[in-house]
Amino acid sequence: GESVGLHLPTLSVQEGDNSIINCAYSNSASDYFIWYKQESGKGPQFIIDIRSNMDKRQGQRVTVLLNKTVKHLSLQIAATQPGDSAVYFCAETPISGGYNKLIFGAGTRLAVHP
Amino acid sequence: GAVVSQHPSWVICKSGTSVKIECRSLDFQATTMFWYRQFPKQSLMLMATSNEGSKATYEQGVEKDKFLINHASLTLSTLTVTSAHPEDSSFYICSASVPTSGQETQYFGPGTRLLVL
Repeated sequence: GESVGLHLPTLSVQEGDNSIINCAYSNSASDYFIWYKQESGKGPQFIIDIRSNMDKRQGQRVTVLLNKTVKHLSLQIAATQPGDSAVYFCAETPISGGYNKLIFGAGTRLAVHP
Repeated sequence: GAVVSQHPSWVICKSGTSVKIECRSLDFQATTMFWYRQFPKQSLMLMATSNEGSKATYEQGVEKDKFLINHASLTLSTLTVTSAHPEDSSFYICSASVPTSGQETQYFGPGTRLLVL
């Protein structure tokens, strides 16, 4: 079935380092991918998105890379800060899903240490 | 912009009672609203998709008679958990979609934590 999964459930980094969170997806027909950040007890917060016709997209301190050949998505956070500590989810929108349905990955917890 | 609110933020109820959760898009009209459930340390699972004035589309395994969804307007959707039981205790999150550069982007509410005793 369709699934979006992550390689690492927990990632610990030092403040100031760069973080890379990975995600593998299984539906090659998906055309839109999003990264969300979820802090404890809160709803997911949109970080950055990318369409399948792109390989890379940059935002403020964040970069998303898409490798369609191996169906891999990554989120890079530059100069990680304590406020970046949260659970990060990748999500995909399968073309056949309808209503832009999102399928979420399992999530990666990012812990930033001073 | 694109702010979504939920009410209540948390609720405790007795087993067998019904609980209604509201989801509102505060500064925009949402084409579609979605309801998710999230158990501790797990990902979000889509429960249903609703469009204003239409019946909700439920995901496989989600009981439509237990999780009643009413989408009365372009800014309000409600989820009613009927005859709640302890296993319904969870974090319920709604989202509302907004067209952004040709793509519908979902913005999420803050969630409602339900505890059924």
